[in-house]
Amino acid sequence: QKEVEQDPGPLSVPEGAIVSLNCTYSNSAFQYFMWYRQYSRKGPELLMYTYSSGNKEDGRFTAQVDKSSKYISLFIRDSQPSDSATYLCAMTDNSGNTPLVFGKGTRLSVIA
Amino acid sequence: SAVISQKPSRDICQRGTSLTIQCQVDSQVTMMFWYRQQPGQSLTLIATANQGSEATYESGFVIDKFPISRPNLTFSTLTVSNLSPEDSSIYLCSVVQDRVADTQYFGPGTRLTVL
Repeated sequence: QKEVEQDPGPLSVPEGAIVSLNCTYSNSAFQYFMWYRQYSRKGPELLMYTYSSGNKEDGRFTAQVDKSSKYISLFIRDSQPSDSATYLCAMTDNSGNTPLVFGKGTRLSVIA
Repeated sequence: SAVISQKPSRDICQRGTSLTIQCQVDSQVTMMFWYRQQPGQSLTLIATANQGSEATYESGFVIDKFPISRPNLTFSTLTVSNLSPEDSSIYLCSVVQDRVADTQYFGPGTRLTVL
């Protein structure tokens, strides 16, 4: 079993839809959870960051972490064509200098 | 946030040759990493570039194939040696500014194609 599992999609939704992206993980030591967005031919950019369990909201984006289930989610409300990208979940343990472990990424297309 | 540049942005190389990728950051950073992103795959950590000492390699990656230098706190190079088509990938430099997990930034990547 891989440390981080993420459905690669692709996922295609109409503009304005609510998008749910998910990852599961196996390492209970993970404490920091991130979502990166990667546009085609670009490097990943940090979108959301959550420490431990709970929710975090930033505009149209909400990140949720359920450590008891080892499950994290990213919700995108009122999705826009500009949200079309690959979304990668990433996580690390409680050590700030430990490299991230990534999911495979989910390719999202928002159709106008 | 740190601004990271990589050179070259892309290259096409012949089998058996080597390619050196440069990563330049606009400010001093504590940690620098090199990742590989193969088509349709996730990011895989190659190594941690240590300033003034040998890089720390992940399982499956060796110094002879992926020599890394980090002469100071803003610059690193990754060389991919003895290229084969299996090395065709995107190579990404990543930095951590101050040992806080949420401040990890990525460069734009170098797209390598090996013929």
